[in-house]
Amino acid sequence: DAGVIQSPRHEVTEMGQEVTLRCKPISGHNSLFWYRQTMMRGLELLIYFNNNVPIDDSGMPEDRFSAKMPNASFSTLKIQPSEPRDSAVYFCASSFSLAGVPPIFGPGTRLTVL
Amino acid sequence: AQSVTQLGSHVSVSEGALVLLRCNYSSSVPPYLFWYVQYPNQGLQLLLKYTTGATLVKGINGFEAEFKKSETSFHLTKPSAHMSDAAEYFCAVSLNQAGTALIFGKGTTLSVSS
Repeated sequence: DAGVIQSPRHEVTEMGQEVTLRCKPISGHNSLFWYRQTMMRGLELLIYFNNNVPIDDSGMPEDRFSAKMPNASFSTLKIQPSEPRDSAVYFCASSFSLAGVPPIFGPGTRLTVL
Repeated sequence: AQSVTQLGSHVSVSEGALVLLRCNYSSSVPPYLFWYVQYPNQGLQLLLKYTTGATLVKGINGFEAEFKKSETSFHLTKPSAHMSDAAEYFCAVSLNQAGTALIFGKGTTLSVSS
């Protein structure tokens, strides 16, 4: 299995631009999580889905952030418009929706907003 | 609400010395607990987990952790540090029900000197 696939691995953009991060979960996994990692705040849960349905988006910083999961094999996290404070590493993770099953993380997307 | 506190953002040990990384949790219900490791510029990798049963849990790379309910702790230990153990370590907690997300501590960076 290829693991969780994230693209792009690195993204550099200018303030005000739209940014779309992509994630392909492990085949068969039905839970998907988006996390953000910064030096100041550590690993923050942004949103997670079970069976393609958003369950908890209380971690999404503001309306500039949106996430979708149109099918079991694809999810996007979009930032529009982007701001320098959005610079971070964004991780996608997936798992089976069973109690105690730990998520498997992707390699992350390093976003830099100038 | 659940939370995790990792005591000490940075721990330094000599090669061959005992490694002790501290984690305390807060949860209103019996939790599931996890330790992950992150090497530079990589995603998170599961070290070990506690769900039910034996409170002393063994993981990969010689690490182990003990769940102590009375102390609300889940400290990570390794008898003898190796240079390759230098990384960032994250403790995480989740509810003991299907389809819930992990909440992470802020991480502890482990340095190993020769």
